[in-house]
Amino acid sequence: QVQLQESGSGLVKPSETLSLACTVSGASMNNYFWNWIRQAPGKGLEWIGYFSYSRSTNYNPSLRSRVTISADMSKNQISLRLSSVTAADTAMYYCARSSFSAADLWGHGTLVTVSS
Amino acid sequence: DIVLTQSPGTLSLSPGERATLSCRASRRITIRSLAWYQQRSGQPPRLLIEGASNRATGIPDRFSGGGSGTDFTLTISRLEPQDSAVYYCHQLGNLPQTFGQGTTVEIK
Repeated sequence: QVQLQESGSGLVKPSETLSLACTVSGASMNNYFWNWIRQAPGKGLEWIGYFSYSRSTNYNPSLRSRVTISADMSKNQISLRLSSVTAADTAMYYCARSSFSAADLWGHGTLVTVSS
Repeated sequence: DIVLTQSPGTLSLSPGERATLSCRASRRITIRSLAWYQQRSGQPPRLLIEGASNRATGIPDRFSGGGSGTDFTLTISRLEPQDSAVYYCHQLGNLPQTFGQGTTVEIK
């Protein structure tokens, strides 16, 4: 059974860097896109970016200057770094596997709060 | 960016009734890259429909999707209490990927 599990710092101070990891178990990371998607409290879903099976990345222009998504294929893990965070970055952060047609597998998410 | 506008914002219906949810795109999108998700309270989104009309594995046939171009619909026939959730459309064909703002389905 394929599972995604997010982990990382739940509390980040303003202006610091948010760091999260997503571990993929039960499947290879080949042939898919590995996305980070976030959801502010009570709000909708926002795509942050992905790391693709071809080892390329793509980011939402609204966050591009602050985001880095990388992968360690040997550990079946993808990572998210978001720099210079503010309260507006407080959200549930999900990793999700996608193809060209849908995000078919989601982690349970990890809540990140930005506060001093 | 492609803006997805969902309507209505909230649907309040009784068990057994039919729900029709709309997702309108600001530009034409390819059918294969339009998906629908269900998000129950406190849970991650769950894929219902991919490629505009193909039910995901394990999704009951009460859920159906349709549409093309800029107008897409999700229909839930014979509503059940567990269908109470927020439903999102999602386009993956044009970067950045975007989501609709969601439609809340309430079961009376």
